[in-house]
Amino acid sequence: DGGITQSPKYLFRKEGQNVTLSCEQNLNHDAMYWYRQDPGQGLRLIYYSQIVNDFQKGDIAEGYSVSREKKESFPLTVTSAQKNPTAFYLCASSIKGRSSPLHFGNGTRLTVT
Amino acid sequence: SQQGEEDPQALSIQEGENATMNCSYKTSINNLQWYRQNSGRGLVHLILIRSNEREKHSGRLRVTLDTSKKSSSLLITASRAADTASYFCATDMTTDSWGKLQFGAGTQVVVTP
Repeated sequence: DGGITQSPKYLFRKEGQNVTLSCEQNLNHDAMYWYRQDPGQGLRLIYYSQIVNDFQKGDIAEGYSVSREKKESFPLTVTSAQKNPTAFYLCASSIKGRSSPLHFGNGTRLTVT
Repeated sequence: SQQGEEDPQALSIQEGENATMNCSYKTSINNLQWYRQNSGRGLVHLILIRSNEREKHSGRLRVTLDTSKKSSSLLITASRAADTASYFCATDMTTDSWGKLQFGAGTQVVVTP
């Protein structure tokens, strides 16, 4: 079955450590996205990529980094520069162009202590 | 601030009743989308309505869009316990960059048997 796989589901890290969240899709979608979700708030866009080897900052990119070396993969690194990294992270993908709905993975819940 | 704002924040109804939630936004849009999120999971796309459409149906879902008032509503008819979830509106704004959706904070719906 086609879909988006995020791993791991839960992730715990100590403050000051970088951590990488995995996102893989087998939908052959061109575009991929990373969103952050905090309790009581909507999703906020961190980074997005519309094509391999290219990506753009979203609304809250500070303290995060991404790469897009393969169409299927869009890993997100939460660096120690991110002041409040504890959150639920959602990866999504879509086909190219407007009016394309997003397909989401089931998220990674990151807790930093 | 967020582009979309849902109202109410929470809604509790009994099975068989209808559930209505509203979304207001601030700037011109290409389309507006509704998503559902079950607790601890990713979002699932429900329906998309384009800026030149006024109403759209999908099964038990009915979405309206009033671009003059910059608002949309989602109606779930004959609700079921399985409809218990958070519902988010997302707007695709009139910019050069496609796919960058702005999400509201969501309406949490609880359907009791």
